[in-house]
Amino acid sequence: NAGVTQTPKFQVLKTGQSMTLQCAQDMNHEYMSWYRQDPGMGLRLIHYSVGAGITDQGEVPNGYNVSRSTTEDFPLRLLSAAPSQTSVYFCASKRGWTNEKLFFGSGTQLSVL
Amino acid sequence: AQSVTQLDSQVPVFEEAPVELRCNYSSSVSVYLFWYVQYPNQGLQLLLKYLSGSTLVESINGFEAEFNKSQTSFHLRKPSVHISDTAEYFCAVSVPSGGYQKVTFGTGTKLQVIP
Repeated sequence: NAGVTQTPKFQVLKTGQSMTLQCAQDMNHEYMSWYRQDPGMGLRLIHYSVGAGITDQGEVPNGYNVSRSTTEDFPLRLLSAAPSQTSVYFCASKRGWTNEKLFFGSGTQLSVL
Repeated sequence: AQSVTQLDSQVPVFEEAPVELRCNYSSSVSVYLFWYVQYPNQGLQLLLKYLSGSTLVESINGFEAEFNKSQTSFHLRKPSVHISDTAEYFCAVSVPSGGYQKVTFGTGTKLQVIP
């Protein structure tokens, strides 16, 4: 049972480059989300989705795009990377509208030079 | 808007000693409370949660937390820590927001267990 799978684990970008962080879950969860983790700031919500075709912004959405074409996948796109986007990114999912626990991926460590 | 405050960024404690990790929250509506743990180079895992009922909740590995509504706190405790408890611990609050449950995390507390 894979759970939440994130790729890549590590990535180095130059300022201005674009890339997509991949996230897939095999638990048929309606709710998927992206967080960034920075020292001393905890986890901050970037974008979330409550089902295929439905996405919305979290606390820190600027510089990031998302789409949800299938239940399983929720990619995070950086259109023009900036050094301020250097962070560890986590994808998380859970069942629907409930207070069920979030299942986290193992994270992507991104450095923007 | 809701918020979560973890007062201690790092807590060193000797092995087999007790520990308390503090968490306070603010919210204008009823909340649900969680503690997640993050071991080095891993994602977060749920440790325990309070949804309703008994205000004292326990995890399978000996941690417990008590929901105190009057003090708006949800402190995490363990009577005797082990080296394997070394990790970062995050308190989180979930509140209804636009038809779903919005989860807000605290800034985390790094527990360092000293042999």
